[in-house]
Amino acid sequence: GAGVSQSPSNKVTEKGKDVELRCDPISGHTALYWYRQSLGQGLEFLIYFQGNSAPDKSGLPSDRFSAERTGGSVSTLTIQRTQQEDSAVYLCASSLQWGTNEKLFFGSGTQLSVL
Amino acid sequence: SQQGEEDPQALSIQEGENATMNCSYKTSINNLQWYRQNSGRGLVHLILIRSNEREKHSGRLRVTLDTSKKSSSLLITASRAADTASYFCAPTAMDSSYKLIFGSGTRLLVRP
Repeated sequence: GAGVSQSPSNKVTEKGKDVELRCDPISGHTALYWYRQSLGQGLEFLIYFQGNSAPDKSGLPSDRFSAERTGGSVSTLTIQRTQQEDSAVYLCASSLQWGTNEKLFFGSGTQLSVL
Repeated sequence: SQQGEEDPQALSIQEGENATMNCSYKTSINNLQWYRQNSGRGLVHLILIRSNEREKHSGRLRVTLDTSKKSSSLLITASRAADTASYFCAPTAMDSSYKLIFGSGTRLLVRP
């Protein structure tokens, strides 16, 4: 596609349920990032992929959060047993390759609301 | 990795005026990027300035970098209502150049 695509754009779930958020990066982009943004706050780094491997998972808040990437393309962020504090916008970004001087292209995000 | 801190947190100006936002950081960098975010959704890359550059222009945007003071500024000239957004800086540290860490941003309101 022409840009980074995220789905769903909005997700409302009940506390305790699992959710899956999907990111389709720009075709050919090898690096993929997940960020989280709570209302009125800055972006919180979650995880970074280079190809299918995740050299940096340091930002995942707890073991309820996991992410994978397959075929060097689509990535899925899974949150198990969701809590109300998980409510936020989850943003995915990709860049052509790993390394400095690379700009990120962001998707429009998934607004997650945990009731 | 390191985070840039934007200042001010919020800025309100009249259409046609210039808007200046500042960014400070702590350690040596490879480059520094500025991004814009409309309505709390995806960020859009505006400009990248390398550590050996002092000033860069892109349309109505002017970015400066002072590595001795570890600071950068973003100037938007002749602002328009459409410039209303949040602006974030992202310094890329030498030790983890792949990871961009964003601060809380500057919320700019341009009044018509």
